[in-house]
Amino acid sequence: GAVVSQHPSWVICKSGTSVKIECRSLDFQATTMFWYRQFPKQSLMLMATSNEGSKATYEQGVEKDKFLINHASLTLSTLTVTSAHPEDSSFYICSARRGQGGFTEAFFGQGTRLTVV
Amino acid sequence: LAKTTQPISMDSYEGQEVNITCSHNNIATNDYITWYQQFPSQGPRFIIQGYKTKVTNEVASLFIPADRKSSTLSLPRVSLSDTAVYYCLVGDDTGGFKTIFGAGTRLFVKA
Repeated sequence: GAVVSQHPSWVICKSGTSVKIECRSLDFQATTMFWYRQFPKQSLMLMATSNEGSKATYEQGVEKDKFLINHASLTLSTLTVTSAHPEDSSFYICSARRGQGGFTEAFFGQGTRLTVV
Repeated sequence: LAKTTQPISMDSYEGQEVNITCSHNNIATNDYITWYQQFPSQGPRFIIQGYKTKVTNEVASLFIPADRKSSTLSLPRVSLSDTAVYYCLVGDDTGGFKTIFGAGTRLFVKA
């Protein structure tokens, strides 16, 4: 079946540094990918919609200059957390939908645990 | 996007059938109902999707009444490994459909 892969699975970084998370659709092309953040015991919160070849669309309250999204190809989207701070520590998850109209299924990456120290 | 309401948590025992109901009173005509499962520190996993009546696959059944204002995910004979959070989502199933998650139902299966 379709697989969405994230890398890295976990990362620890120092406060003030930037971290890049990759999201790849392994066996299908995804013109649209989604990035989520999840805090412990909470649900997934949609951060932004990543669009291949154009600017990402951010949800209300998400700082676009802090969470840089690049969707340079049909199989890769990246999320860069810039100048990370401890409050950015969270579980970041990406997803991509396969299919056009009709039935489409969302596939999720395994997530990236970010810890900022 | 239609808002969904689910029980916050449920407990069950191994071997029992578990039914999790989701309310979505303002579901739109084009909306599908999709259920996902999430284990700790993992991304959500698709379980089942339906539009109306009943859908069954190898892991679950989904019951949707005629008015489509609710749906019930049925897990037959649960095991300890079914302990997870289950999310009910409702939305227009097009390629750009934003998958918005509600609070989900935390299912705990006991031995």
